[in-house]
Formats: sequence, structure tokens, C-alpha cells
Amino acid sequence: NAGVTQTPKFQVLKTGQSMTLQCAQDMNHNSMYWYRQDPGMGLRLIYYSASEGTTDKGEVPNGYNVSRLNKREFSLRLESAAPSQTSVYFCAGTVSSSYEQYFGPGTRLTVT
Amino acid sequence: AQSVTQPDIHITVSEGASLELRCNYSYGATPYLFWYVQSPGQGLQLLLKYFSGDTLVQGIKGSEAEFKRSQSSFNLRKPSVHWSDAAEYFCAVGDNTGTASKLTFGTGTRLQVTL
Repeated sequence: NAGVTQTPKFQVLKTGQSMTLQCAQDMNHNSMYWYRQDPGMGLRLIYYSASEGTTDKGEVPNGYNVSRLNKREFSLRLESAAPSQTSVYFCAGTVSSSYEQYFGPGTRLTVT
Repeated sequence: AQSVTQPDIHITVSEGASLELRCNYSYGATPYLFWYVQSPGQGLQLLLKYFSGDTLVQGIKGSEAEFKRSQSSFNLRKPSVHWSDAAEYFCAVGDNTGTASKLTFGTGTRLQVTL
């Protein structure tokens, strides 16, 4: 089992460019999450998907969109990147009624 | 809304010494509490969790934590630190309402281990 995988590992964007961060899991997770991690701020929830076909906003959703393509995949899109979106992005998943979240290795994004 | 406070941003301990990392939470009901560890350049790994029952919980990598409701605390302890324990540690509280099990994380404590 690969667990939770994320692509790419690193990305540099110019302001205004768009990109999609990919996340996939093979752990039969019902719920999936996108977080961003910034120095001194811990992890903050961007969006989550409680189950296939549903998505909801988290604490910091502005500037992002998500798609729960199927049970395995949950993507995060930046339509017009801004320097404030420079961060490390983590995807996580969990089975229903469990709080034990399994994290991917992260994507380090720099917006210049 | 729930929140988590980790008052220590950075802690340095000697290898072999004991460790206690502090965590205080704010939550209206009985909390679900977690400690995660993040090694440099890695994702987060769950160390331990508290849902109910015995207030002293054991986790992986020699970790334990004690839930103290009266103090709204869930401090992480290790009796003897190894150099490989150097990492960032996050406390989190689970939101057991709504459609998904969401976590709110503290800002983290970075542990440095000196030899």
C-alpha cells in the first residue's frame, strides 16, 4: 500500500498562474482533507470532503477550489496563485467515524 | 470554536533526559485529543490519541500523554529522549460534530536534542 500520495513534491509558480495539487489514497478513506502549513501557524484546514461527492470549506478556503474525483482522489486547485499561498500543502484521509488522519508527504509550493 | 495552545515554540533537551510538551485545549464537550509528530521534510504521523476512558494513554515511540479535564491539558511525555526524537510535535483536538471528523491543530513545538 502506498498510503496517501501527493504530487508534485515541489512547485514554483509565478503570480497569477494556476495549478492543481493531486492527492490519492489507497487506504479506503471516506473523508479527505487539505491543509496548509506555515511557520508558527501549525496546520490550517483549507477544504475537506466528508465522503465521495461532497466538499466543504475549512478555515482558510479563499483562493482555492477542490474536487473529490472519486473515493481515492482529492485535488486542490489554485486558479490564480498569489505569494500569500506560498506554503507546504498536506493531504490527509480518514475512515468514517475515525479521527486518525493519515497524512501525505506534502507539496512545497512557492509563488513568486 | 475549539482551539489548541502549545505554549512552547522550541524546546531543547539532552539525549537521555525526560521530556514534557505542553498542550492546552478549548472545547465545549468531551474532547478527542491527539499528538502528531513531524520529522523534517515529512508528513505528520500519529503518536497517540485520547477518546475516552483511562486518562493516561500510551502511544508509539515510547510516548505517553495524560488528559486532565480540570486543567484542559493533554501534555505529552517521554521518559528518555533519543536523538531521533528531534522533530516538530503537534497537539490537536477533534471536532466531533458535523459530517467529517475535523482536527484543529496547535502551532507546534519544535524539539531539539543535544548529544
